[in-house]
Amino acid sequence: DTGVSQNPRHKITKRGQNVTFRCDPISEHNRLYWYRQTLGQGPEFLTYFQNEAQLEKSRLLSDRFSAERPKGSFSTLEIQRTEQGDSAMYLCASSTRDRVEQYFGPGTRLTVT
Amino acid sequence: QQQVKQSPQSLIVQKGGISIINCAYENTAFDYFPWYQQFPGKGPALLIAIRPDVSEKKEGRFTISFNKSAKQFSLHIMDSQPGDSATYFCAASIRTQGAQKLVFGQGTRLTINP
Repeated sequence: DTGVSQNPRHKITKRGQNVTFRCDPISEHNRLYWYRQTLGQGPEFLTYFQNEAQLEKSRLLSDRFSAERPKGSFSTLEIQRTEQGDSAMYLCASSTRDRVEQYFGPGTRLTVT
Repeated sequence: QQQVKQSPQSLIVQKGGISIINCAYENTAFDYFPWYQQFPGKGPALLIAIRPDVSEKKEGRFTISFNKSAKQFSLHIMDSQPGDSATYFCAASIRTQGAQKLVFGQGTRLTINP
């Protein structure tokens, strides 16, 4: 039984570049969540998928951010024209339809220089 | 109303002591209250959770106490060990558009001195 995996674990990019992160949820978990965690803070909700449908997006998710979950399996989070304020840990979590527990991956730490 | 306030920000406890972290919320629509443990460079790991219809839940050395009328809940770590040194987050879950969205507290950095 593998947990939630995320790639890459670390990403350093220059301001203005585009970046894409991938999340592979626990198998058979049909719900997938993205959160953002800045240093010294708790994670903040970004968006949620049930299967392939993106059902909710936070106001934190500006139009430079886009997330997809094709075929209801893995998900990608893309940030276009990165800004220094985008530097954070991007966390993915998954859960089953019938239970509320969310299990987090190790995160992708993004540093924008 | 969507905030969860957590205290203290940092806590130092001697080995074998009891660590207590407190959280408070306002929104009565929250229906599930988990605690997560996070080590540096890792994602949060689910530790223990409680529903609002239960006043206490114990799992090993970890206990959640829940006071629905006061809208407060706390995590107690008994016989604290150096391996418990980590950042702890309380959270509250609210159902929105079919999702159980988690709202996290600000975190407590716990240090257990040997």
